[in-house]
Amino acid sequence: DAKTTQPTSMDCAEGRAANLPCNHSTISGNEYVYWYRQIHSQGPQYIIHGLKNNETNEMASLIITEDRKSSTLILPHATLRDTAVYYCISTLNFGNEKLTFGTGTRLTIIP
Amino acid sequence: GAVVSQHPSWVICKSGTSVKIECRSLDFQATTMFWYRQFPKQSLMLMATSNEGSKATYEQGVEKDKFLINHASLTLSTLTVTSAHPEDSSFYICSATPLTGVKTQYFGPGTRLLVL
Repeated sequence: DAKTTQPTSMDCAEGRAANLPCNHSTISGNEYVYWYRQIHSQGPQYIIHGLKNNETNEMASLIITEDRKSSTLILPHATLRDTAVYYCISTLNFGNEKLTFGTGTRLTIIP
Repeated sequence: GAVVSQHPSWVICKSGTSVKIECRSLDFQATTMFWYRQFPKQSLMLMATSNEGSKATYEQGVEKDKFLINHASLTLSTLTVTSAHPEDSSFYICSATPLTGVKTQYFGPGTRLLVL
């Protein structure tokens, strides 16, 4: 798996869009970018993943740069329940690859 | 959909006893399940990869005789911590990948183990 780099922590005001960056400059052509989050004392929750194109689902949007060396997870209208540690992971998409969790970004939503 | 459960959610045991943790995929079948461990203020660390019907693959530094994994069916994997010691106290989390659909790991809620 390619190494990813994320800021240690971020704050975002409630109701605003939260933009979480991730660098993955050594990502290979067939590796996907996955985002998970972990709310305190719970198991990680899958958010979204993508390969080249931007993706959107009911939880978030994923913007991947054209050179695929970085990406941004966007939570369009952050709520207090979005406070969590967010992990960006690059991996193959066969489903049975082990995931390597880095330190992630601790996102705090401010009321 | 894609719900993974774990039982128990928390357990307290005496040093030297064994503890079994169950991981179930409730609404999908999974050939591969993973077991992670997370110590306070640290990230998740993969312990082992479990495939249905075959022996688990353990990560370097994880004792296979201490952490016994049984993946007996496409919806159930168990982790047994044998002769538990206080240093085994941790948050144990499993995940599973569906046979069909989105190829991602879905995680259980975790089991908090405290060894006295």
